[in-house]
Order: sequence, then C-alpha cells, then structure tokens
Amino acid sequence: DAGVIQSPRHEVTEMGQEVTLRCKPISGHNSLFWYRQTMMRGLELLIYFNNNVPIDDSGMPEDRFSAKMPNASFSTLKIQPSEPRDSAVYFCASTSGLRANTGELFFGEGSRLTVL
Amino acid sequence: DQQVKQNSPSLSVQEGRISILNCDYTNSMFDYFLWYKKYPAEGPTFLISISSIKDKNEDGRFTVFLNKSAKHLSLHIVPSQPGDSAVYFCAARGSSNFGNEKLTFGTGTRLTIIP
Repeated sequence: DAGVIQSPRHEVTEMGQEVTLRCKPISGHNSLFWYRQTMMRGLELLIYFNNNVPIDDSGMPEDRFSAKMPNASFSTLKIQPSEPRDSAVYFCASTSGLRANTGELFFGEGSRLTVL
Repeated sequence: DQQVKQNSPSLSVQEGRISILNCDYTNSMFDYFLWYKKYPAEGPTFLISISSIKDKNEDGRFTVFLNKSAKHLSLHIVPSQPGDSAVYFCAARGSSNFGNEKLTFGTGTRLTIIP
C-alpha cells in the first residue's frame, strides 16, 4: 500500500519566492497533519485537518503560512513570501480510526526546504 | 515553552547492551505517550506507545516505562542492535473533543549503537 506521499522532496528557492508543498495522505485516513522539523525545536505541529476541515492552526508561524485541504486526498502548505528562517524539513502525516485514538501517525518522507 | 523535553541530544551504546532514552513532560493532561524512530532522509515511524493509565508496555526488545508522578517516561531497548541507530522522538497526545488529537514532540535523541 502507498504511504503518505509528499512533493517536492527537495526545494531550493530564493527569499521572497512562493513555496508550495504538497501531500497525499493514505487512502481512507481522515486526519492530516503538517509538521516542521528544525534542529532547535524538533518536530513542531503547524496545522491539522479532520475530514478536510482545519481543526488547529495555532502552530502556523505567521500569516505567510497557509494550508488547504480541498479534498480527502490532497493538501498543500504554502509559504508566501518565503524567508531564510523557513528553511526546514516539512512533514505531512495522516491517521484514522483506532490509530488516531492512540496517537499513531503515518509520516511521509518530508520536503526539505532551503530558502537562500 | 517545550511541554515535552528530551534533554539528551545524543547517546552512544555498545551493541548488545541496554539503551535507555529519557523524556520528561509538563502537561498532566496528556493521555497517550509514544516513541517514534527516524532514519536519515525518512519520515518518523511509530515504535511503541503507552496509555497514561499504565506504567509499562513491552513489545519485543522495546519497553516503555511511564512514571506519572515524576512526569517522566523512558524507552528501553534490549539488546541494542546496529539497526537501532536512529533519532528517537518522544511524543505526547493531549485530549480533545474531536477524536483526532494532536501530538507534541520532543526534540529527539540521536542513538548510535557501536558494533
């Protein structure tokens, strides 16, 4: 079975440019999470969706960040304009059912973003 | 404010010995605690979890202990194997009304098993 699919795997861009990261959750999963990993802060939750509805976006750093989930099989995380401090690995994760009850998430391989 | 803390950024253990990874938390409302393992260039993968109503959970070579009074949990790996070399994240889940609660992660501990 296909896992969580993220694209692009690597993105190098210049400060001020728009960045869009994409995620396809595991089929049948109804919860989707966006995390950011940095050395200093580890894995930080940015936003999560339940049944395509944003539930908690308190981790979104500022208005430059936005996320959408137009349907059950696709989500985007957009940064506009990007800044060097946004450089990190961004992970998408999904879960559903009993595994959601115990907190088990299935992560994608991540999108490594470098903003010059 | 870090609600989940892993104070050891790295740990080296001889192959065959016990590896003990530690984690502290501050929020007494967390109801599940989990450990995730992460290899380079991959996403974290679930390893083992424990409910807040238990004090121990075992799965093969992996055992998680929970001390609620001390707000402390640990992961024991016995015996340690070279394939266990990875970054280990401690995570805690806070309850909510929606049934899909978010996880709060620590900063990770890099475990290196020495052959």
